[in-house]
Amino acid sequence: DQQVKQNSPSLSVQEGRISILNCDYTNSMFDYFLWYKKYPAEGPTFLISISSIKDKNEDGRFTVFLNKSAKHLSLHIVPSQPGDSAVYFCAAGAPSGSARQLTFGSGTQLTVLP
Amino acid sequence: EPEVTQTPSHQVTQMGQEVILRCVPISNHLYFYWYRQILGQKVEFLVSFYNNEISEKSEIFDDQFSVERPDGSNFTLKIRSTKLEDSAMYFCASSAWDTQYFGPGTRLTVL
Repeated sequence: DQQVKQNSPSLSVQEGRISILNCDYTNSMFDYFLWYKKYPAEGPTFLISISSIKDKNEDGRFTVFLNKSAKHLSLHIVPSQPGDSAVYFCAAGAPSGSARQLTFGSGTQLTVLP
Repeated sequence: EPEVTQTPSHQVTQMGQEVILRCVPISNHLYFYWYRQILGQKVEFLVSFYNNEISEKSEIFDDQFSVERPDGSNFTLKIRSTKLEDSAMYFCASSAWDTQYFGPGTRLTVL
């Protein structure tokens, strides 16, 4: 099942610079997208989300961009900090009767170098 | 800040034994979920629960699995007869609507 793909397993960025994490999806029924951050031995921590009716959502240092025609979303972190080093997952949800199930990408390990 | 909690953090069991994983969702949330992550693989959806019944379940969630909300605060996942391939991190999540908040996970090791 490759409905949500994160093609870069890892990314290294210098502290203070921009981190750009990418995610592609294939299911055109997805209408809600989320980014989660995960440290080892912890659960995913919600960062930011975007609905398909928008193309950008911003929260502090985090901005998510959605390009529906390309079925692509990205997470920008500016400026990057060493504490941002973690695995970042994108997830997508489609409308359903009641509760949504999320489909996750495989994750990108971000390392922010001091 | 409210958070999802899970117990135990680590469960070791023998193959064929029953296990119950416990979760306390965020108190005003109405939707509850279980996901699992096998080592080195993606986080996978197992089941969603709303209004005291299963809303959706994946192919993984076969007859060996069940969920229950035994009281107003707990949400449990039971595996009746564990198999080696059930070894994974199990995450509980809850949501008020679209955004799901995850617990810290239970690491299940089946020997």
